[in-house]
Amino acid sequence: LAKTTQPISMDSYEGQEVNITCSHNNIATNDYITWYQQFPSQGPRFIIQGYKTKVTNEVASLFIPADRKSSTLSLPRVSLSDTAVYYCLVGATNDYKLSFGAGTTVTVRA
Amino acid sequence: DAGITQSPRHKVTETGTPVTLRCHQTENHRYMYWYRQDPGHGLRLIHYSYGVKDTDKGEVSDGYSVSRSKTEDFLLTLESATSSQTSVYFCAISESGQKQETQYFGPGTRLLVL
Repeated sequence: LAKTTQPISMDSYEGQEVNITCSHNNIATNDYITWYQQFPSQGPRFIIQGYKTKVTNEVASLFIPADRKSSTLSLPRVSLSDTAVYYCLVGATNDYKLSFGAGTTVTVRA
Repeated sequence: DAGITQSPRHKVTETGTPVTLRCHQTENHRYMYWYRQDPGHGLRLIHYSYGVKDTDKGEVSDGYSVSRSKTEDFLLTLESATSSQTSVYFCAISESGQKQETQYFGPGTRLLVL
């Protein structure tokens, strides 16, 4: 399993863009990069997934450089409700087990 | 939201007591998972199932057993609960079990072992 490293915590203010970078130096060729979001007292939920370049959906954007050794989750114009823990996961197609680290706690202030 | 329920949602028990947590899904997904979440550790996989009566261990399986007799139900049993098993337990499901496949999580069960 590819090991991931992401910041423990980040603070932001409403309306700002939040960028969370995840390092995964030993990512394998067939690994995908997936981000989950977890609100207090809830289970994680899928945000976005990518393999290379850029992926965007209604919630976030995911930027992956050519070497794929890192990725950046971008949350545009955050609100108080975006306060959550964000997990970066890296893994291949034939592995059933997701490996969650401690994640990044994002706190959005008014 | 995916149809996943967990029961009970909260439980207080005493050391040495057997405890069974239930995960029920209405999505007919093949794969089901049990995780525990503790401060500073993120989520850690306990056991998972890739079909009826097909289960395998995760990274923290000691002290836990599981059973899956029907597609929709995945049971986690603590044969003799210990204080170290105080945690929040999450069940998850996925359709194919492939890592890029989204896992859908239940609401969690908060377990306190005294």
